[in-house]
Amino acid sequence: QKEVEQDPGPLSVPEGAIVSLNCTYSNSAFQYFMWYRQYSRKGPELLMYTYSSGNKEDGRFTAQVDKSSKYISLFIRDSQPSDSATYLCAMKGIGTASKLTFGTGTRLQVTL
Amino acid sequence: NAGVTQTPKFRILKIGQSMTLQCTQDMNHNYMYWYRQDPGMGLKLIYYSVGAGITDKGEVPNGYNVSRSTTEDFPLRLELAAPSQTSVYFCASSSLRRGSGNTIYFGEGSWLTVV
Repeated sequence: QKEVEQDPGPLSVPEGAIVSLNCTYSNSAFQYFMWYRQYSRKGPELLMYTYSSGNKEDGRFTAQVDKSSKYISLFIRDSQPSDSATYLCAMKGIGTASKLTFGTGTRLQVTL
Repeated sequence: NAGVTQTPKFRILKIGQSMTLQCTQDMNHNYMYWYRQDPGMGLKLIYYSVGAGITDKGEVPNGYNVSRSTTEDFPLRLELAAPSQTSVYFCASSSLRRGSGNTIYFGEGSWLTVV
């Protein structure tokens, strides 16, 4: 079993839809949870960052962490064609020795 | 704002050849990383460095070497290229400063094909 599981997609939605992207994990030591967005032929860029459990909102984006279920989500409201990209979840434990573990990424296509 | 800069962007190597992927960052970050990204496999850590003169292996270090002589630069060396090293390589950096949120900044990527 992989430490971090993420549905690869592709996920195709119409413009304006609410998108839900998810990851599950098995390592209970993970405390930092991130979502990266990666456009085609580009490097990943940090979208959202959450420490421990709870919700965090930034514009159209909301990140949720449920540590009891070992489940994290990224919601995108009013999706736009410019949101079309691959979304990678990533997580790590506390301390400098802990390294980021990435999901495999979900490819999202927002159509007009 | 340069951030993390990698060169070359694209390269084709023959089996057994050697090459160095260059990486430099201008954010004065302590940590630097090299990842490879293969389809359906996510990002795998090759090597990382916590500061000048200090490097350590990641998940998939075999076939690669690194050095960190300065804070800014973190080159990745492939000594005897093999087809299994065909991949996209990303250099990244992060800061240990409080409030930095463990944010890792990635370069644009280097596409390497070994034939």
